[in-house]
Amino acid sequence: NAGVTQTPKFRVLKTGQSMTLLCAQDMNHEYMYWYRQDPGMGLRLIHYSVGEGTTAKGEVPDGYNVSRLKKQNFLLGLESAAPSQTSVYFCASSYWEEVTQYFGPGTRLLVL
Amino acid sequence: GENVEQHPSTLSVQEGDSAVIKCTYSDSASNYFPWYKQELGKGPQLIIDIRSNVGEKKDQRIAVTLNKTAKHFSLHITETQPEDSAVYFCAAIGGNQFYFGTGTSLTVIP
Repeated sequence: NAGVTQTPKFRVLKTGQSMTLLCAQDMNHEYMYWYRQDPGMGLRLIHYSVGEGTTAKGEVPDGYNVSRLKKQNFLLGLESAAPSQTSVYFCASSYWEEVTQYFGPGTRLLVL
Repeated sequence: GENVEQHPSTLSVQEGDSAVIKCTYSDSASNYFPWYKQELGKGPQLIIDIRSNVGEKKDQRIAVTLNKTAKHFSLHITETQPEDSAVYFCAAIGGNQFYFGTGTSLTVIP
């Protein structure tokens, strides 16, 4: 099993450009999450999903959109990138709410 | 997140000594309290967790304590080793709220 994979590993964007980050899990987990990690800020939840076709806002959702069309995939979109979105993005998945979350290796995003 | 405070932000200990990291939370709906270890360039990995109906849990050199009344929980690592050097995160989860602490960078000096 690959666990949780993220694509791409690293990306540089110019302000105003758009992109989509892809997360895939092969553990048949219901819950999936997108976090951003910034120095001194820890992990902050952007959006999450409790099952195929569902999405919900987390702590810092502004400027991001998500979709969960298939149970194994969770996409994070940036419609118009801003320098404030420079961060490391982690995807995670879990069977349900109050159990272990399995994290992907992260995507480093630099917005110039 | 603002609902979870974690201290200290950095911690250096001599090999063989103990390390303690503390977290406080504010959301009464939190029922699940995991601890994650993050090594450089990797995603966080669970090392131990505790639920609200348990006061203490131990796994070899790692233990976690929870005081639900006071809304604080702690990670204890005994007999520290250089490979324990990493960033550690606490989290408080429940009621579809997922909050992580700001992390503690632990350095174990050989």
